Amino acid sequence: AQSVTQPDIHITVSEGASLELRCNYSYGATPYLFWYVQSPGQGLQLLLKYFSGDTLVQGIKGFEAEFKRSQSSFNLRKPSVHWSDAAEYFCAVGGGSNYKLTFGKGTLLTVNP
Amino acid sequence: DVKVTQSSRYLVKRTGEKVFLECVQDMDHENMFWYRQDPGLGLRLIYFSYDVKMKEKGDIPEGYSVSREKKERFSLILESASTNQTSMYLCASSSGQLYGYTFGSGTRLTVV
Repeated sequence: AQSVTQPDIHITVSEGASLELRCNYSYGATPYLFWYVQSPGQGLQLLLKYFSGDTLVQGIKGFEAEFKRSQSSFNLRKPSVHWSDAAEYFCAVGGGSNYKLTFGKGTLLTVNP
Repeated sequence: DVKVTQSSRYLVKRTGEKVFLECVQDMDHENMFWYRQDPGLGLRLIYFSYDVKMKEKGDIPEGYSVSREKKERFSLILESASTNQTSMYLCASSSGQLYGYTFGSGTRLTVV
């Protein structure tokens, strides 16, 4: 069965600092991997995805993520955080003929001025 | 852009009521999903549908049912609402895992 672990429940960074959100997955074959962002009271918005090819993927809002098969990780990064990045971030995994994505429990990002 | 519309942003219902949550997507996606989201528990899949009139149970189907009579519409039904069903409900649609999901804005349901 596929699973996702986001080890950090809550992260606080200062505006302008760099950011890395961790995601570890469990899946038996090559996974499809996603990062979503959720602003308060809203649905989830897709930031980026990986399914093959270059292991460093670029997304919207200046985010990127790197797929590391040897570490079963797909960490999200941003070089300089803006106050508007404060939100909850979810990593998800899927693959094969399974229709479903499995989501992590999320990491809440707080940005200090 | 694909749009997924959930009919209500906020709902307050009484214990024992039958509750319908509606979700409509406008891009002819085959797959539709209902999740509930609770603090500390993340997103948990209730039901999903991969075709009209087809449905499959997710991880927490108890107390819920679904209906998909038309491709664009996927309804979640709480047969007899209970206070432990107070939650944020998120609908999503997809044309395949490769493309990810598109989510609606959510319905925050309070059962009193």
